[in-house]
Amino acid sequence: DAGVIQSPRHEVTEMGQEVTLRCKPISGHDYLFWYRQTMMRGLELLIYFNNNVPIDDSGMPEDRFSAKMPNASFSTLKIQPSEPRDSAVYFCASSLVPTGDKDGELFFGEGSRLTVL
Amino acid sequence: RKEVEQDPGPFNVPEGATVAFNCTYSNSASQSFFWYRQDCRKEPKLLMSVYSSGNEDGRFTAQLNRASQYISLLIRDSKLSDSATYLCVVLYNQGGKLIFGQGTELSVKP
Repeated sequence: DAGVIQSPRHEVTEMGQEVTLRCKPISGHDYLFWYRQTMMRGLELLIYFNNNVPIDDSGMPEDRFSAKMPNASFSTLKIQPSEPRDSAVYFCASSLVPTGDKDGELFFGEGSRLTVL
Repeated sequence: RKEVEQDPGPFNVPEGATVAFNCTYSNSASQSFFWYRQDCRKEPKLLMSVYSSGNEDGRFTAQLNRASQYISLLIRDSKLSDSATYLCVVLYNQGGKLIFGQGTELSVKP
């Protein structure tokens, strides 16, 4: 079975450019999460969706960041305009059950490594 | 204060050693607890859930102390393949946000 698929795997862009990261969750998973990982701050939850509806976006750093989930098989995270401090690995993850379940497991994609010059 | 705090790493141990990682969390309303493992430049993967009574999975033992808001992971007879970063993870509300600790790096040497 295909896991969580993210694209692009690597992106290098210049400050001020728009960046769009894409994610395809595992089929049938109702929960989708976007995380950002840096050496300084570790893994930070940016936003998560349940059945395509954003539930908590309190982790989104600022208005430059936006996320959408138009259908159950696709989500995007957009940064406009990008800044050097946005450089990080962005992970998308999905889960079948609420993550509070004892058997709940978060399945991560391989990440999108973003470098903003 | 960070919501989830872990021992700073790295831990450098010889093969066969027993190593323990500690984690504390700040929100007493936390409901569920996990350990994830992340290999270098890879995505995190679930290692094990942490149950109130403590649980064991082969060489790995996880303990939870709700009164002290403390979680631990014990690895016995460590292998070279155990080298990774171990992430303590806490859930604050059912079906909600998982908060990850910064991670503790383990390096097992021959």
